[in-house]
Amino acid sequence: GAVVSQHPSRVICKSGTSVKIECRSLDFQATTMFWYRQFPKQSLMLMATSNEGSKATYEQGVEKDKFLINHASLTLSTLTVTSAHPEDSSFYICSAPRGYSPTDTQYFGPGTRLTVL
Amino acid sequence: SQKIEQNSEALNIQEGKTATLTCNYTNYSPAYLQWYRQDPGRGPVFLLLIRENEKEKRKERLKVTFDTTLKQSLFHITASQPADSATYLCALEYAGGTSYGKLTFGQGTILTVHP
Repeated sequence: GAVVSQHPSRVICKSGTSVKIECRSLDFQATTMFWYRQFPKQSLMLMATSNEGSKATYEQGVEKDKFLINHASLTLSTLTVTSAHPEDSSFYICSAPRGYSPTDTQYFGPGTRLTVL
Repeated sequence: SQKIEQNSEALNIQEGKTATLTCNYTNYSPAYLQWYRQDPGRGPVFLLLIRENEKEKRKERLKVTFDTTLKQSLFHITASQPADSATYLCALEYAGGTSYGKLTFGQGTILTVHP
């Protein structure tokens, strides 16, 4: 079946540093990928839509200069948290729909746990 | 803005019983309503999708209903097993170009099935 991977699975960094998270679709191409954030005991909140070959679109309230997204290829999207602060500590999850129909199954990555000290 | 409520934060049932989870939303109905399973520290896994013009969908021990009048979806797991213990999320997807693939999630219901 379709698989979406994320790397790293866990990262701890110091406040002020930047962290890059990779999201890969392993056996299908994804022109669109989505990035979500999940705080403890809360649901997933959509942050942005990553579009291959064009700029990402961000949800209201998400700082595009802080959360840089690059959709470098049809199988790779990266999220860079710049100048990370403790409040950015969260579980970051990407997803990719396999296909172009709204009913195509979306596959989620295993998530990346970011802890900012 | 759209609000989604999954009525129970936690649901405890005995093995073999049917688990019923509820998802209510406000405002306009989505084109598609989806249910996902999420285990601790993992990403969600897709279970079922139901369209706004469908009343019911089944897959093995799972059943989903969708009532756009009540603005509610029910998710049933029959003959529940301890392995079904997880957090279950409902998610709404709206039609339209810029909405494609964007999911709005409920806060989830933690299901625990006791042996």
